[in-house]
Amino acid sequence: EVQLVESGGGLVKPGGSLRLSCAASGFTFSNAWMYWVRQATGKGLEWVARMKSQTNGGTIDYAAPVKGRFTISRDDSRNTLYLEMNSLRSEDTAVYYCPTDAGIPAGGWAYWGQGILVTVSS
Amino acid sequence: QSVLTQPPSASGTPGQRVTISCSGSSSNIGIHYVYWYQQDPGMAPKLLIYRNDQRPSGVPDRFSGSKSGTSASLAIDGLRSEDEADYYCAASDDSLSGVLFGGGTRLTVL
Repeated sequence: EVQLVESGGGLVKPGGSLRLSCAASGFTFSNAWMYWVRQATGKGLEWVARMKSQTNGGTIDYAAPVKGRFTISRDDSRNTLYLEMNSLRSEDTAVYYCPTDAGIPAGGWAYWGQGILVTVSS
Repeated sequence: QSVLTQPPSASGTPGQRVTISCSGSSSNIGIHYVYWYQQDPGMAPKLLIYRNDQRPSGVPDRFSGSKSGTSASLAIDGLRSEDEADYYCAASDDSLSGVLFGGGTRLTVL
């Protein structure tokens, strides 16, 4: 059974930093493209970052609002995805998810974690 | 502002057919697959349609997807009360080197 468990969220002051983790199991993590998606309360879904599998070059892409402030990374030996968030702003307040296609090309984000809340406030 | 455009709301009565549109451009829907997600309040999204018109196992065949040019649609036949949820379309975008979501459509079953 595929499981994705996000952790590391919480309350942080504007300008602060936070690191999110996403522990994966039930599929071959090293083959999967991994993503971060967020959703502010009462708002729609917003793609944040993507990291392709190492076999696909490990290419990384970011959404414009987080580029230069957020860093996505992965540890395939630990089956874990990370999101380092720096210079946090109030508009980064959201529930963060780490969906995946679990290695199925163009299979869509069939698997999602429960999400983790990040609150940026003074 | 989302580059994929969806109507903010849709509604129907039980048993009706409802369609939700998703309009994009040549850099996203025009050249990439479209995906549809269903989200109940307080829950993580659920994949409803992948690769334009494919249903994951477990998704009822009342749900169907289609794509034509730079637009896509999600159709729900035989509407049920449990279909009341938010629906999002998504597609990769070459201009942004990322993924775009539509703004979401809240479906109400009257």
